[in-house]
Amino acid sequence: GEDVEQSLFLSVREGDSSVINCTYTDSSSTYLYWYKQEPGAGLQLLTYIFSNMDMKQDQRLTVLLNKKDKHLSLRIADTQTGDSAIYFCADQTGANNLFFGTGTRLTVIP
Amino acid sequence: GAVVSQHPSWVICKSGTSVKIECRSLDFQATTMFWYRQFPKQSLMLMATSNEGSKATYEQGVEKDKFLINHASLTLSTLTVTSAHPEDSSFYICSARDVGVQPQHFGDGTRLSIL
Repeated sequence: GEDVEQSLFLSVREGDSSVINCTYTDSSSTYLYWYKQEPGAGLQLLTYIFSNMDMKQDQRLTVLLNKKDKHLSLRIADTQTGDSAIYFCADQTGANNLFFGTGTRLTVIP
Repeated sequence: GAVVSQHPSWVICKSGTSVKIECRSLDFQATTMFWYRQFPKQSLMLMATSNEGSKATYEQGVEKDKFLINHASLTLSTLTVTSAHPEDSSFYICSARDVGVQPQHFGDGTRLSIL
């Protein structure tokens, strides 16, 4: 089955950029997503990219997709303390099949 | 837009009780709804997928008689944990999407604690 991997932890200083990486194995992905989860809460959709795109920018968020290497990244510019959370990447391979990574816990140091 | 409301947010009950969790799409029609379970410090595990008006499709290892799913309308799905036991304690999250290949939008989750 599909395997989606992320590093578990990332710490950055407030104001710096954060880059969260994700790799996946299925080459038939249609969409790739980034979700944010704050403590005790559900998942908030941050952004998503269609598999035929290389980059998508939305305010402080930039998503890069390298389809050849099956690598997805999320860059958060000017990281704030409110950005501290767990970030999940997810890979959609069909209409319904959504595979989640293990999540990266981002800690922003004031 | 694309708001999913999940209720209740927290349930504590005795072993043997059945618990119902509701998932509603507030501003779109959810042709498909999903139920996930999340253990502490872990990722989400898909339990089942339900399409409005038809029986849910359960993932391997998920007991359909234990976790009853009903998706009777385009805006509401329910998950009932029957005769809950302490090992059923977990964070349950629903998601919903509209027709076609669309992103899933998630509810805020229900923390279930069985004593």
